[in-house]
Amino acid sequence: SQKIEQNSEALNIQEGKTATLTCNYTNYSPAYLQWYRQDPGRGPVFLLLIRENEKEKRKERLKVTFDTTLKQSLFHITASQPADSATYLCANNAGNMLTFGGGTRLMVKP
Amino acid sequence: NAGVTQTPKFQVLKTGQSMTLQCAQDMNHEYMSWYRQDPGMGLRLIHYSVGAGITDQGEVPNGYNVSRSTTEDFPLRLLSAAPSQTSVYFCASRTSGNTDTQYFGPGTRLTVL
Repeated sequence: SQKIEQNSEALNIQEGKTATLTCNYTNYSPAYLQWYRQDPGRGPVFLLLIRENEKEKRKERLKVTFDTTLKQSLFHITASQPADSATYLCANNAGNMLTFGGGTRLMVKP
Repeated sequence: NAGVTQTPKFQVLKTGQSMTLQCAQDMNHEYMSWYRQDPGMGLRLIHYSVGAGITDQGEVPNGYNVSRSTTEDFPLRLLSAAPSQTSVYFCASRTSGNTDTQYFGPGTRLTVL
């Protein structure tokens, strides 16, 4: 079955550094991947979508890459700030169904 | 626009009780869906709808019913609540394209005793 996985351990980094989060998929080849941010007690908020032929996509301090050989997407936040602390989810559409990874909690310390 | 709204925000039920979680959106989105989120399990799709009158099962549909009589509303019914249904429930909506942005509601935290 299709599986999408994220590192369940929290990622702690210092303010100003680049945070890199990983999303791995197995048993299928998604045409695109989505990244969401979720704050405690709130619903996920869409950040970026990357298609398999795009390799890299940017939005302000965010960058997402898509490596179909490694079956992996990397999510980068440059010049990280304490306000970036949240859980980040990757997800993929299989037809009408959106499948999420378990999320990675990012903590940016001042 | 209010976006996606959910009620109630919190609910405590006893085993065997039934209830309906409400979800509404004012963005005229065709697609609506329900997820549950459990620690360590991520978000899992319960049911979804691609338009009024059309519903389908997701990954974990057992114990839940849905209907879609209008574009705006997509209620989720728990027929006989079980402790295993203790979770946070999120409703989401988007336009018809699979790559379109999905908007989530604020969630309902349900505890079944």
